[in-house]
Amino acid sequence: QVTLRESGPALVKPTQTLTLTCTFSGFSLSTSGMCVSWIRQPPGKALEWLALIDWDDDKYYSTSLKTRLTISKDTSKNQVVLTMTNMDPVDTATYYCARCLVDTAMVNDYWGQGTLVTVSS
Amino acid sequence: SYVLTQPPSVSVAPGKTARITCGGNNIGSKSVHWYQQKPGQAPVLVIYYDSDRPSGIPERFSGSNSGNTATLTISRVEAGDEADYYCQVWDSSSDLPRVFGGGTKLTVL
Repeated sequence: QVTLRESGPALVKPTQTLTLTCTFSGFSLSTSGMCVSWIRQPPGKALEWLALIDWDDDKYYSTSLKTRLTISKDTSKNQVVLTMTNMDPVDTATYYCARCLVDTAMVNDYWGQGTLVTVSS
Repeated sequence: SYVLTQPPSVSVAPGKTARITCGGNNIGSKSVHWYQQKPGQAPVLVIYYDSDRPSGIPERFSGSNSGNTATLTISRVEAGDEADYYCQVWDSSSDLPRVFGGGTKLTVL
């Protein structure tokens, strides 16, 4: 059974760096074809894809946010970490991690429940 | 960057057929996925690779993709289908590899 769970601070101040951890089970990020994505959703708004890391440590970032994002993985812990620098109130959103499959056009087949991050002083 | 355009809302009576479109330049040459999101919940994959259904998704959900439009079709709509629906494409040649549409709110009348 595949599960993913996001963890991190619920509240960050403007200009701070956000660090989110996705802890997963039921698959391994050392298996060929596996990847993990981060996606966010501001309250009442649409989904926005942020970043992806695959089993081969290839990384992809949203063009508009790439200067602020870093994605990494710890295969031994079954974790993927996303950091976002210089947080702003517009970054207030629910942040999701999701498993993706490289050989199936990067489809996100399993999602975590999401974690709400509020940016406020 | 690649833009996906969805209608903000679609309304349908129970038992009827709902069609939700996703427009994009030559989207027919790309693989499209569809997600359903109910209030307060994480998205759920309902269609992948244009028209494939994950296990557990009813046959009432189907998809197609051609030209500049991909379509999610829900037959015999039920009250439980009321949700937001998002299309997504993967384009490895783009500087924005993964794009979501703006979402469509399906209302069951």
